[in-house]
Amino acid sequence: EPEVTQTPSHQVTQMGQEVILRCVPISNHLYFYWYRQILGQKVEFLVSFYNNEISEKSEIFDDQFSVERPDGSNFTLKIRSTKLEDSAMYFCASSKATGSFNNEQFFGPGTRLTVL
Amino acid sequence: AQSVSQHNHHVILSEAASLELGCNYSYGGTVNLFWYVQYPGQHLQLLLKYFSGDPLVKGIKGFEAEFIKSKFSFNLRKPSVQWSDTAEYFCAVYNNAGNMLTFGGGTRLMVKP
Repeated sequence: EPEVTQTPSHQVTQMGQEVILRCVPISNHLYFYWYRQILGQKVEFLVSFYNNEISEKSEIFDDQFSVERPDGSNFTLKIRSTKLEDSAMYFCASSKATGSFNNEQFFGPGTRLTVL
Repeated sequence: AQSVSQHNHHVILSEAASLELGCNYSYGGTVNLFWYVQYPGQHLQLLLKYFSGDPLVKGIKGFEAEFIKSKFSFNLRKPSVQWSDTAEYFCAVYNNAGNMLTFGGGTRLMVKP
């Protein structure tokens, strides 16, 4: 069964450094997402992406964040200058479609980001 | 803005006990509702979903959920839990307009053998 994959599983970085989190969505999916979960808190939506454009973003997704689909398979989340409060589990997800049919989002295993 | 509340943060049950996890949402539009499960060390997996029609939805592994529109609820149930059901369970509502999921805080279920 196809799965969403994410690398690395754990990333440790110094405050102020740039990080890139990588995701490979399911191959026939068209919509891609990033969510995060700070330890002990809810899973929160960051951004959705379709047709090489951001389609929706939350207040969390400020200028420090960017997403890209650099090739036909990868979907990346970049944090330009990490802050301590960016420490969280970051989940990538993908779906075939949106709306009320086939909008099921399939999640990857997550990348745990630790900012020191 | 939509929100999802899961009232039980931690639940401990013995095997064969019945399970009901509460989920309430606030959202003014047409709702699509989901329950996801995260087993230890694994990724979020879909248990079941509600789009329309029969408000009683059956999912994998013997789970079901009932959408009660008047109560804005979508509680998850299982008549008899197993040790392997130990996991964290997340209720989520899909925002059609924004193409995003809004999650509840999750419920950690521990099933004692």
